[in-house]
Amino acid sequence: AQSVTQLDSQVPVFEEAPVELRCNYSSSVSVYLFWYVQYPNQGLQLLLKYLSGSTLVKGINGFEAEFNKSQTSFHLRKPSVHISDTAEYFCAVRTQGGSEKLVFGKGTKLTVNP
Amino acid sequence: GAGVSQSPSNKVTEKGKDVELRCDPISGHTALYWYRQRLGQGLEFLIYFQGNSAPDKSGLPSDRFSAERTGESVSTLTIQRTQQEDSAVYLCGSGGAPGELFFGEGSRLTVL
Repeated sequence: AQSVTQLDSQVPVFEEAPVELRCNYSSSVSVYLFWYVQYPNQGLQLLLKYLSGSTLVKGINGFEAEFNKSQTSFHLRKPSVHISDTAEYFCAVRTQGGSEKLVFGKGTKLTVNP
Repeated sequence: GAGVSQSPSNKVTEKGKDVELRCDPISGHTALYWYRQRLGQGLEFLIYFQGNSAPDKSGLPSDRFSAERTGESVSTLTIQRTQQEDSAVYLCGSGGAPGELFFGEGSRLTVL
């Protein structure tokens, strides 16, 4: 079965600093990978996805993530964060074929300070 | 509707009572997922429906939990004989493309 590990439960950064949120997955088969964001008191929304092709994927709000098959990672990055990026970020994985169960990590709370 | 709608948004119940949570997916979305999010925790998969196929119930934590969905429409999640550890936000997501889910704002359940 697939699983997701988000190594940092909380990441505090200053405004305009770069940020990387780490995600590692485990699966015996090929996967699709996703990052979702949950702003305070709101539902989850899709930030970006990797299905196939280029390993560098770009999402909304200036975020990007890179799929690294050898390291089974899908880290999320932004070169310069804003206060409004304060939210909880969830990495998710789904296997290609077979069960369509989407498995989420425990989340990383990003706090951007002025 | 325009988005995924969940009701009730908040439910407070007494231990031992049954509760029913409802999810209205986006029209045309064949996939529907239920997750549980306990305070400070990630999303715990409960159940997945895809069209008329048999649902994937592998995440349901006990036989007190059940869910139904008629075709590609509304789904209900039922928790019987609620316990305090059932207190959580129950999230419903629907989608058409692999893994691309649109979530409702959740139903917050508090069991006293």
